[in-house]
Amino acid sequence: GQNIDQPTEMTATEGAIVQINCTYQTSGFNGLFWYQQHAGEAPTFLSYNVLDGLEEKGRFSSFLSRSKGYSYLLLKELQMKDSASYLCAVMDSNYQLIWGAGTKLIIKP
Amino acid sequence: IAGITQAPTSQILAAGRRMTLRCTQDMRHNAMYWYRQDLGLGLRLIHYSNTAGTTGKGEVPDGYSVSRANTDDFPLTLASAVPSQTSVYFCASSEKQGGDTGELFFGEGSRLTVL
Repeated sequence: GQNIDQPTEMTATEGAIVQINCTYQTSGFNGLFWYQQHAGEAPTFLSYNVLDGLEEKGRFSSFLSRSKGYSYLLLKELQMKDSASYLCAVMDSNYQLIWGAGTKLIIKP
Repeated sequence: IAGITQAPTSQILAAGRRMTLRCTQDMRHNAMYWYRQDLGLGLRLIHYSNTAGTTGKGEVPDGYSVSRANTDDFPLTLASAVPSQTSVYFCASSEKQGGDTGELFFGEGSRLTVL
């Protein structure tokens, strides 16, 4: 079966750096997505990786290793507004998205 | 402001009743999707439509139906609601199925409680 694994919850300190990991096993691969979802709100797109390596976008970076079925989202200079759930999703060979359950990130002052 | 609009935002429904969740987008996106989100689970695809006039079943289609009469509208119908359909429902769209980034744009969600 298809499976996306990510930690349920993480805690970090304001101003610090946090890395959220995602491992996947899917039928084919057409890209990996990270979305941010604040409590009670809709998910919003953060990043897309289809080739191995690091994609940097401001304070957020996303890394992909297709051979290892592994990705991480790196958040730098954490701000209180970064408290949210972070959803990892993989697009399979049928171009359908398979979603992880999300990682709830708690930022403490 | 362009985007996706869902209605209602929240609804309490008696079991056995029929309910339609509305979804409208003004971005002229070809592909549209309905997901449900439950605590501890990832988003699960209910139904999708790659273009107007076509629909397909997702991971959890039972008890739900959809239609796509035009590009903008993608309603989701629960023919006879059951308590297990209590969830938050998100409508989403993307410019095209597959290709490019396939970034999804989500509506604000519809919280449905079936008693």
